[in-house]
Amino acid sequence: DIVMTQSPLSLSVSPGEPASISCRSSQSLLHSNGHNYLDWYLQKPGQPPQLLIYLGSDRASGVPDRFSGSGSGTDFTLKISRVEAEDVGVYYCMQALQTPRFGQGTKLEIK
Amino acid sequence: QLQESGPGLVKPSETLSLICTVSGVSISRYYWSWIRQPPGKGLEWIGDIYYYGGTRYNSSLKSRVTMSVDTSKNQLSLNLNSVTAADTAVYYCARWYDSTGYFDYWGQGTLVTVSS
Repeated sequence: DIVMTQSPLSLSVSPGEPASISCRSSQSLLHSNGHNYLDWYLQKPGQPPQLLIYLGSDRASGVPDRFSGSGSGTDFTLKISRVEAEDVGVYYCMQALQTPRFGQGTKLEIK
Repeated sequence: QLQESGPGLVKPSETLSLICTVSGVSISRYYWSWIRQPPGKGLEWIGDIYYYGGTRYNSSLKSRVTMSVDTSKNQLSLNLNSVTAADTAVYYCARWYDSTGYFDYWGQGTLVTVSS
């Protein structure tokens, strides 16, 4: 099984400041088709998770462009260029190359 | 839309049974998943099912899980037997978009507590 490890597990960011979350997989998520099967989800308080990024760097429909995903192979990063109050919640990376598996989650709070 | 339903309380050693009713889209031609989240913890994929009945299960739960679909009712179901307190969680159903590998639609989730 592919294990997903996120860091940090929590972060506190002032509004308007950038934020970055790292996700590492125990095996490469790069498929022979050239795509990295890595998603990012945000779970806001009291809500189900919502898709932010798929295939490592593609923004889902309706996701603000302040969210971006990057990386390849085993190392991936989610960046928020300017954090807003509505971005609070828990961010999960998830590998989709094999049967889906999530990282532990990173809790984002606003200072 | 996806809506989970079922008992909120299940006794230890019994079977947890949930239904997910899908509206607005045919259950056919898509994969449908169950995911759970213990209180205050992270997300765990339970398994998925294709409309004709093909399944994949989490290896850690495989011996206790059964999923099925009812295309006439546009519903999918989850059975988890021999439950313990460790199975207490919010259970979500979600649509799995297989070609690019993501969950794009989620239900609101239903809390199932295992307790005597």
